[in-house]
Amino acid sequence: EPEVTQTPSHQVTQMGQEVILRCVPISNHLYFYWYRQILGQKVEFLVSFYNNEISEKSEIFDDQFSVERPDGSNFTLKIRSTKLEDSAMYFCAIQLRTGELFFGEGSRLTVL
Amino acid sequence: AQSVTQLDSQVPVFEEAPVELRCNYSSSVSVYLFWYVQYPNQGLQLLLKYLSGSTLVKGINGFEAEFNKSQTSFHLRKPSVHISDTAEYFCAVSDIWSRGSSNTGKLIFGQGTTLQVKP
Repeated sequence: EPEVTQTPSHQVTQMGQEVILRCVPISNHLYFYWYRQILGQKVEFLVSFYNNEISEKSEIFDDQFSVERPDGSNFTLKIRSTKLEDSAMYFCAIQLRTGELFFGEGSRLTVL
Repeated sequence: AQSVTQLDSQVPVFEEAPVELRCNYSSSVSVYLFWYVQYPNQGLQLLLKYLSGSTLVKGINGFEAEFNKSQTSFHLRKPSVHISDTAEYFCAVSDIWSRGSSNTGKLIFGQGTTLQVKP
């Protein structure tokens, strides 16, 4: 049974502050994804990560965003200088051998 | 570029009635298709998927969907809904991909359909 743990579950931050969202997949996976969902809107692709490097990113994923897998386990999304419009749910996902993405419960980011 | 259109933003239905949530996609290549459900304040859970083979796929909680290549549709159906089916439903598409390649299998989601089941 796959499992993806995301921390924090909710973070409130001031505009301009740096935020790091963490994702810990249980068991080994090669393909990782970050998505975001602004309240009441659709789920948007941010970035995919394969073999320890970015394989694809969307227009949303600008220079303020970065991802890394520093210790081979945690998978992090960093927003360097948060803006009000960064307020959203951020979902980490892994790709299963059966083809679908398995999502974590999400981290809610509120930028004041 | 791929896109997904969910034609109904909200679908109200009475308990035990049948329901169909519509999904159309566009893509220049062959695709995989998915339906995910999101209950209030929760993450996304896979309902069902079409990768290949039979065009009628069955998922969890009594849901099924039919892949229609000529109409580029993947509508979700349930013959009798329950109050607990009240949730947001997302259709998603991805390019066909193979493991071991850098060809990302990212999902592109539709806008979502809110299913409201009334007693």
